[in-house]
Amino acid sequence: KQEVTQIPAALSVPEGENLVLNCSFTDSAIYNLQWFRQDPGKGLTSLLLIQSSQREQTSGRLNASLDKSSGRSTLYIAASQPGDSATYLCAVFSGNTPLVFGKGTRLSVIA
Amino acid sequence: ETGVTQSPTHLIKTRGQQVTLRCSSQSGHNTVSWYQQALGQGPQFIFQYYREEENGRGNFPPRFSGLQFPNYSSELNVNALELDDSALYLCASSPKATGTGGYTFGSGTRLTVV
Repeated sequence: KQEVTQIPAALSVPEGENLVLNCSFTDSAIYNLQWFRQDPGKGLTSLLLIQSSQREQTSGRLNASLDKSSGRSTLYIAASQPGDSATYLCAVFSGNTPLVFGKGTRLSVIA
Repeated sequence: ETGVTQSPTHLIKTRGQQVTLRCSSQSGHNTVSWYQQALGQGPQFIFQYYREEENGRGNFPPRFSGLQFPNYSSELNVNALELDDSALYLCASSPKATGTGGYTFGSGTRLTVV
């Protein structure tokens, strides 16, 4: 059974700092991995989708990497801003069931 | 292109009642899946529909049921509501039943059971 773990559970950083969020999964036989952002009480906004054959994806200040063999992904946020404050969720798709999610990392960027 | 839309946004129901939540998939997406998200947790998979047929189900009792219509929109029905059913219900659509195209989520329906 696929399990996804996100570390840390919560993170508070000053504005302008670069930061890394971690995601690990137990079964490396995945099709893809997707990072989402969730604002309080809201739905999920897709940030980056990495296919199993890819090692990283970039969008603006965000960069996500994937190491399938070790079961790890990282989301790098450059020059953080208060508007980046949200919960970041990692989810993997393995083909047997739709997305399996971690519990998320709650990020606070302090001005 | 329109995204995934869900209605209603908020709902309060009494224990034992029945509820129907609705979802319109993103244009061009033929697969819809539903998730339940309790406070402080990641979303949990309820079920998925592809071409009007259920083609995957998570660990939820039969009182959670659904439909997909020819235009790929979907409904989630929950009977005999329990207090623990209080959660954010998320609908997601994808362009392929295999999920290789990624998932687009709606804004969710917040259900409160009292």
